[in-house]
Order: sequence, then C-alpha cells, then structure tokens
Amino acid sequence: AQTVTQSQPEMSVQEAETVTLSCTYDTSENNYYLFWYKQPPSRQMILVIRQEAYKQQNATENRFSVNFQKAAKSFSLKISDSQLGDTAMYFCAFREGAQKLVFGQGTRLTINP
Amino acid sequence: NAGVMQNPRHLVRRRGQEARLRCSPMKGHSHVYWYRQLPEEGLKFMVYLQKENIIDESGMPKERFSAEFPKEGPSILRIQQVVRGDSAAYFCASSSRGTPAYNEQFFGPGTRLTVL
Repeated sequence: AQTVTQSQPEMSVQEAETVTLSCTYDTSENNYYLFWYKQPPSRQMILVIRQEAYKQQNATENRFSVNFQKAAKSFSLKISDSQLGDTAMYFCAFREGAQKLVFGQGTRLTINP
Repeated sequence: NAGVMQNPRHLVRRRGQEARLRCSPMKGHSHVYWYRQLPEEGLKFMVYLQKENIIDESGMPKERFSAEFPKEGPSILRIQQVVRGDSAAYFCASSSRGTPAYNEQFFGPGTRLTVL
C-alpha cells in the first residue's frame, strides 16, 4: 500500500523567512500525482500546489514551490516570504490511480510575527 | 458556483445512536469521496462513490458504516450505533470525473462528530 510520511510534526519560523516542509512517499506506480494541502484553524482543506509525476519541472504557485525528487520519492514544499496567514497544518498527499488521496500525518506550521 | 456543502457542521450523538452526514457536491460533479480525520492525524480515505454506485469502499469499517450517493440528492454517510471512537471530523470531496487520474478534489468544510 502507498504511504506518505511527513517527518516534521511541528515547525516554527519568523515572518518573511523561508521554510521547507518535508514529505516522502512509497509507491510502485510510475504515474501519479502529489499534492500539498493547507488546513487552517477553520479546518477547511485548501489545495496549495500539485505536481504530476511525469513532469520533471517543479511546480510553483506564487510563494509556494516544490522540490520533487522522483527517484528519491521526495516531495518537499518551500514557502518563501512566509506570512502570518500561512500558519496552518500542512498535509502532503499522494493520488493513486484508484482516485483516492493518501495523506501524510501533517506538519503544524507556525509563523511568528 | 457554490462549493461542496456538508451538513450538519457539528453533530453530537450519544453512544448507540445513529449519525447521518450529508454532502452535496459541487454543481456538475458526479464523483464523491469521504474521508475521516481523527484528532491530530491526517485524513484517511473511507469511500468513493459515483451516482448510484460505490466504486471503492476499501477504507470503510466493515460494520456500522455505510454510504450512498443516490441519483437525486446528496451523498449520505451513515454511522449506526455510534461509539466514542467514531468522534472525528468527516470530510467530503467531489470531482468532475474519475479519469484521467488527475482531477482536483474539492473539499467541503467537514462535519465534526462528537459521541458522548
């Protein structure tokens, strides 16, 4: 079964700093999709960024970018110029062919003023 | 275009009662997914449904849990004879189609179930 591991339960940085959240996954699939979701205190799940495994270029969305290392099965999220509103739980997720999302345990990120 | 709607947002039940959670997908979406989030954990897949069909129920507990997505109306996740361990946030997501493999799942705000 596919698994997703986030090894950092909590992280804390100062506003405007850059922070990187780690994620590794295990799969025997060759074609798949990876996602980072943000869950603020409201508990709403918000898609931050996605990456198709067949694309070598790392995805970017404004201040958010990923470092996708397919051979190492690593998918880290970098947040640049962090803002107070970035404070949330962040979940890495893997999408397998049967459509369901497999989530990691989450990283609680706190941005300090 | 309204997003995914879930109701109720909060549900309190006593042990042994039934819980019914409703999910209305986004307009035009015919694929629905249910996930459960226990405190301090990530979301765990429960079931994937299309209209009138269960496609994948590999994450559903074998007993007391059932799900449906009728031709008309919302998808329903039903939990019979609830126990304290059922206390969790239940999220519904919808997508426009199942294939190709990539299509975004849009999440609802969740229903927080508390079992006393």
